[in-house]
Amino acid sequence: DIQMTQSPSSLSASVGDRVTITCRASQSISSYLNWYQQKPGKAPKLLIYAASSLQSGVPSRFSGSGSGTDFTLTISSLQPEDFATYYCQQSYSTPPTFGPGTKVDIK
Amino acid sequence: QVQLVQSGAEVKKPGASVKVSCKASGYTFTSYGISWVRQAPGQGLEWMGWISAYNGNTNYAQKLQGRVTMTTDTSTSTAYMELRSLRSDDTAVYYCARERVVRSEEFDYWGQGTLVTVSS
Repeated sequence: DIQMTQSPSSLSASVGDRVTITCRASQSISSYLNWYQQKPGKAPKLLIYAASSLQSGVPSRFSGSGSGTDFTLTISSLQPEDFATYYCQQSYSTPPTFGPGTKVDIK
Repeated sequence: QVQLVQSGAEVKKPGASVKVSCKASGYTFTSYGISWVRQAPGQGLEWMGWISAYNGNTNYAQKLQGRVTMTTDTSTSTAYMELRSLRSDDTAVYYCARERVVRSEEFDYWGQGTLVTVSS
């Protein structure tokens, strides 16, 4: 199975900050990388698929980049509703695997 | 609009079985596959397996082989996940999730989750 890691595991930020989360795969996954946002008690929500494609309805302050083994999720200007846990997930091979998550909370 | 609505919370004893349902609406059920993903309390996300709503083909996570069965009922647009021989470490919220495109393993719509508690 492909192992996914994320850094940092948590971060504190203020409204308006630019936030970057990193995800690394244990082998090359081309651009088969997706990002999800999860709020407490809720299901995950797809933000970005295929490394950089914005899912319909997701605000443009979210962006993704990377290919191969290293990927980033960037929130250009953090909003109050963005405080959540973010997961990366590879869809290159079965089983799809998720990173351990990055919790973004209020500074 | 696309919706996946899951059945309610369950409490089971070790060794028992649980069957969770996921009723889909707002799209052509047989055009997309459904995956099941679980999340233990305070933990990350674990993919359990996938079923094609078109022909019923399945692909299960290796660690759950022999204990999990996924089925669909196309007449009611409902997917089911049954897990047998429950253990305490099966305590988790179980989600169904639709794939964004066929076999993409990108999950664009999720059910609300079903908490399964395994306790004696």
